[in-house]
Amino acid sequence: GAGVSQSPSNKVTEKGKDVELRCDPISGHTALYWYRQSLGQGLEFLIYFQGNSAPDKSGLPSDRFSAERTGGSVSTLTIQRTQQEDSAVYLCASSLVGVRGTGELFFGEGSRLTVL
Amino acid sequence: AQSVTQPDIHITVSEGASLELRCNYSYGATPYLFWYVQSPGQGLQLLLKYFSGDTLVQGIKGFEAEFKRSQSSFNLRKPSVHWSDAAEYFCAVGEGGGADGLTFGKGTHLIIQP
Repeated sequence: GAGVSQSPSNKVTEKGKDVELRCDPISGHTALYWYRQSLGQGLEFLIYFQGNSAPDKSGLPSDRFSAERTGGSVSTLTIQRTQQEDSAVYLCASSLVGVRGTGELFFGEGSRLTVL
Repeated sequence: AQSVTQPDIHITVSEGASLELRCNYSYGATPYLFWYVQSPGQGLQLLLKYFSGDTLVQGIKGFEAEFKRSQSSFNLRKPSVHWSDAAEYFCAVGEGGGADGLTFGKGTHLIIQP
């Protein structure tokens, strides 16, 4: 499809395991964002990519979280040694030029992570 | 640092009634302001945005919002709600310079009564 695609849509894992979440942005969108949505907490900014570089990693909650983007397209968010507090919906968004351009972020439907 | 406050966690309105969802922001300069809607099982969709110019902006689905600098507010309105408007609504602010990205409020859950 033409929208932002995220996989898996649901992931249940055991505490201590590593997980990888994938985001396929809209073709041609240079800006890519990861957010975390926890119940009652709104959307928490995690990281922003412009092309393959990440000028803003300020939202990553700990060094267990990392993300990369290759070829200016697909991005992977990796959570190592998952903890129960990592349970949330992880949302990816892409934008043609970023907030300072058109300002519109197009969101995927998210990856729901449950850590048991 | 910029921040966004949505004072109402839940709002219930009757179908056909008018709606106003409140949003207050904290930012020194003129921010970029947005409203997004998240319907059950769907991704967030942009309703409208304000960058500059006319302080009353029109969006999709019959929504509008008004930027009031003196009150640091960007409230969302709709004259007559439909059952399909039941969703979670998020206000967001973008810095417009320097770091990119949006800061979101915690959301307002809208319930429509028949």
